[in-house]
Amino acid sequence: NAGVTQTPKFQVLKTGQSMTLQCAQDMNHEYMSWYRQDPGMGLRLIHYSVGAGITDQGEVPNGYNVSRSTTEDFPLRLLSAAPSQTSVYFCASSSGTVYFAGANVLTFGAGSRLTVL
Amino acid sequence: DAKTTQPNSMESNEEEPVHLPCNHSTISGTDYIHWYRQLPSQGPEYVIHGLTSNVNNRMASLAIAEDRKSSTLILHRATLRDAAVYYCILRDKGGGSNYKLTFGKGTLLTVNP
Repeated sequence: NAGVTQTPKFQVLKTGQSMTLQCAQDMNHEYMSWYRQDPGMGLRLIHYSVGAGITDQGEVPNGYNVSRSTTEDFPLRLLSAAPSQTSVYFCASSSGTVYFAGANVLTFGAGSRLTVL
Repeated sequence: DAKTTQPNSMESNEEEPVHLPCNHSTISGTDYIHWYRQLPSQGPEYVIHGLTSNVNNRMASLAIAEDRKSSTLILHRATLRDAAVYYCILRDKGGGSNYKLTFGKGTLLTVNP
């Protein structure tokens, strides 16, 4: 199994450009989420989804949009990139439905490094 | 939301045991305690989790205090490959029936040869 696949691995954008970070999982996981990681800040939750058609905000949702049209995919959209969005982004998934069980384990992707100039 | 507190950094010598502490004094009765680690330039990976009883797996052991307000991740024999940031997290309840998992800054473990 491929697990959680993120693309692209690296991306450089100019301020104001838009782009989509892709995340796909092949484990039939209901729960998917996006984190960003900045130096000294740990991992901060951006958005998450507990199933197709259901999304919710995390700690730092401003400037990001998500949608969940299929179980497998959970893209993260930056509509107008800003230098403050320079970061490493991680997608993670877990089994469990809207009755998300605290015992379920997260599987992370390898990350996408985004630089906004 | 239930929060965890971990030391910013710890140091160990190779082949010695390592005890990584985590405080979670506001844990609720149904919160699981999870540990993940992040090796340099990689995504976090699952290490172990538990609810009330101590747990063992091939990677580590998890010791949970009787009152569940703290836990300790135990690496029995540290290797250089164990150098990583270790995160202790709890299941958080989001809005309605939704749930979110939040990570703190973790503990940076340095292993000396």
